[in-house]
Amino acid sequence: AQTVTQSQPEMSVQEAETVTLSCTYDTSESDYYLFWYKQPPSRQMILVIRQEAYKQQNATENRFSVNFQKAAKSFSLKISDSQLGDAAMYFCAYRSPVTGGSRLTFGEGTQLTVNP
Amino acid sequence: EAGVTQSPTHLIKTRGQQVTLRCSPISGHTSVYWYQQALGLGLQFLLWYDEGEERNRGNFPPRFSGRQFPNYSSELNVNALELEDSALYLCASSSRQGQLSSYNEQFFGPGTRLTVL
Repeated sequence: AQTVTQSQPEMSVQEAETVTLSCTYDTSESDYYLFWYKQPPSRQMILVIRQEAYKQQNATENRFSVNFQKAAKSFSLKISDSQLGDAAMYFCAYRSPVTGGSRLTFGEGTQLTVNP
Repeated sequence: EAGVTQSPTHLIKTRGQQVTLRCSPISGHTSVYWYQQALGLGLQFLLWYDEGEERNRGNFPPRFSGRQFPNYSSELNVNALELEDSALYLCASSSRQGQLSSYNEQFFGPGTRLTVL
C-alpha cells in the first residue's frame, strides 16, 4: 500500500517570503499522480497543484511550484511571496491510476502560519 | 459552476443512532468519494462510487455504507454510531475521462461535521 509522509507538522513564514513544505511517499508503482491540497479554517479542501509522475517537468501554478524528485520519492511544495491568505493546513496526496481505485492517500498535513 | 455541496453542515447524534449524510457532485461528474477527517487521524478514504456502483472501499467497518443515485448524488450512512465516529466527513467528486485509470482530480465539498455524544 502507498503511504504519504509529511514530516513538518507546523511551519511558519513571514509575509512576502518563501516557504517550502516537504512530502515523501512510498510506492512500487511507476505511474501515479501527486497533489497538494490546502485546507483553510473554513475546512474547504482546495486543490493547489498536481503532478503526473511521468512528467519530468515540475508543475507550477502562479506562486506555487513543486520540486518532484521521482527517484527520491519526494514532492515538496514551494510557496513564493507568501500572503496572509496562504495560512492553512496543507496536505500532500497520492493517487494511483491502477491499484486502489481512484482514492487519494493523504499525508498528515502541515499547518502553515503566515506572519505579517 | 456550482461546486460540490453537502448537507447538513453540522449534525449532533448520540451513540447507537444512525445518520445519513448527503452529497451532490459537480454537474457532469460521475464519481463521488467519501473521506473521514477525524481529529488526530488525518484524512481517511471511506468509499468511492461511480456510475451508481461502489468501486472501492477503505478500511472501515460495514456499518459505514452508502449509495449513489442515478443523478450521481450520493448518501453516506453510518449505523450504530460510536463516539469515535465524530469527525468531518468530506465528499469529493471527479469526472471520468473514459478509461478506468484516467480519472480527473477530485474537488471537495465543505464537509459535514458530525458530533457523536
